[in-house]
Amino acid sequence: GAVVSQHPSWVICKSGTSVKIECRSLDFQATTMFWYRQFPKQSLMLMATSNEGSKATYEQGVEKDKFLINHASLTLSTLTVTSAHPEDSSFYICSASYRGEGYTFGSGTRLTVV
Amino acid sequence: SQQGEEDPQALSIQEGENATMNCSYKTSINNLQWYRQNSGRGLVHLILIRSNEREKHSGRLRVTLDTSKKSSSLLITASRAADTASYFCATEGTDSWGKLQFGAGTQVVVTP
Repeated sequence: GAVVSQHPSWVICKSGTSVKIECRSLDFQATTMFWYRQFPKQSLMLMATSNEGSKATYEQGVEKDKFLINHASLTLSTLTVTSAHPEDSSFYICSASYRGEGYTFGSGTRLTVV
Repeated sequence: SQQGEEDPQALSIQEGENATMNCSYKTSINNLQWYRQNSGRGLVHLILIRSNEREKHSGRLRVTLDTSKKSSSLLITASRAADTASYFCATEGTDSWGKLQFGAGTQVVVTP
């Protein structure tokens, strides 16, 4: 089956620094990937749609300059949280469509900003 | 914004019992999907039901969809301790391919 590999699984960073999260589709090409954020005990909220070779599309209320998305190849999308602050601490998770039968999610990244 | 609501928010049952959770949504959809999430982990796709389907089975899972009521249910039969997790419904709208709108989730605890 399709697998999306997400790294790192957890990261702790200092306030003001930037953090990069990677999502790779294994054994299949993902022209589009989706980035979600999940706060503790809450549901997932779509942040942006990552398109290979073009600019990402951000959902309303998501700062594109803070959450930089790059989708340079058919198998890799990255999310960079720039100048992270404690309120950015959250669980970030990516997904990709596979054969039109639901979506495959990465294992998620727990970001803690101290 | 979240598409809809799930109920119950939490469910505690014993092994062998059935677990039923419901999901309501607000807009027109192409399909509705159910996912499971173990604490602090990624999501696992369980089942997808299209808007023209009314019921679907997969192993111990049974999903129904009523588009007239904009609601769906997930039934887990003969539950096991390993079924302990949070369960989310997610809808894919007719004009928003790939943009899943998740429900609030149901936290299920199955005790041995």
